[in-house]
Amino acid sequence: ETGVTQTPRHLVMGMTNKKSLKCEQHLGHNAMYWYKQSAKKPLELMFVYSLEERVENNSVPSRFSPECPNSSHLFLHLHTLQPEDSALYLCASSQEGGRSGELFFGEGSRLTVL
Amino acid sequence: EDQVTQSPEALRLQEGESSSLNCSYTVSGLRGLFWYRQDPGKGPEFLFTLYSAGEEKEKERLKATLTKKESFLHITAPKPEDSATYLCAVQALSGGSNYKLTFGKGTLLTVNP
Repeated sequence: ETGVTQTPRHLVMGMTNKKSLKCEQHLGHNAMYWYKQSAKKPLELMFVYSLEERVENNSVPSRFSPECPNSSHLFLHLHTLQPEDSALYLCASSQEGGRSGELFFGEGSRLTVL
Repeated sequence: EDQVTQSPEALRLQEGESSSLNCSYTVSGLRGLFWYRQDPGKGPEFLFTLYSAGEEKEKERLKATLTKKESFLHITAPKPEDSATYLCAVQALSGGSNYKLTFGKGTLLTVNP
């Protein structure tokens, strides 16, 4: 495996379900990100972890809960979502420091909330 | 507040027809400006970083340039495989976060054979 891998690629859930998105990076990076991509909107930063500590939480509703157990793995736990949460959720990683803007993205998890 | 505006929203070219995409930005001190390419159903792919006005970067048929207010992505003699959405993003020098990128909405480029 190389790069950044995300599972599942597609997820359909009801508003009362609980599910999780998983991300794994094989690049040796030490920062990991969750972004949300909705149609006709710019990419929105949700969470950033650097060296396994959360360093950014961009006013995201508490129904999204991130977890970073180590520098290679990142999860996004989902519960009681709303239909407007339907979007493409992208995981990314980068190297700490001056190259932190050079993100390596996974292919995304397409979430549909019914 | 940092802002990025990309134009046009969509651009359709014939193969071999050169053109440019624009990224206008306002930021409280520029740490870096980034170009990404995104194919349908995939995550964005990093292309270039530009740090200061006057800087240029090239990769195959793409050349990115930077001024104090905008960046251009020039596409020379494009091929159908250059069809994608091109995203521009800026990172501010100050404001507390070393990690936040402000993205534009992107330009959807279609190159017809």
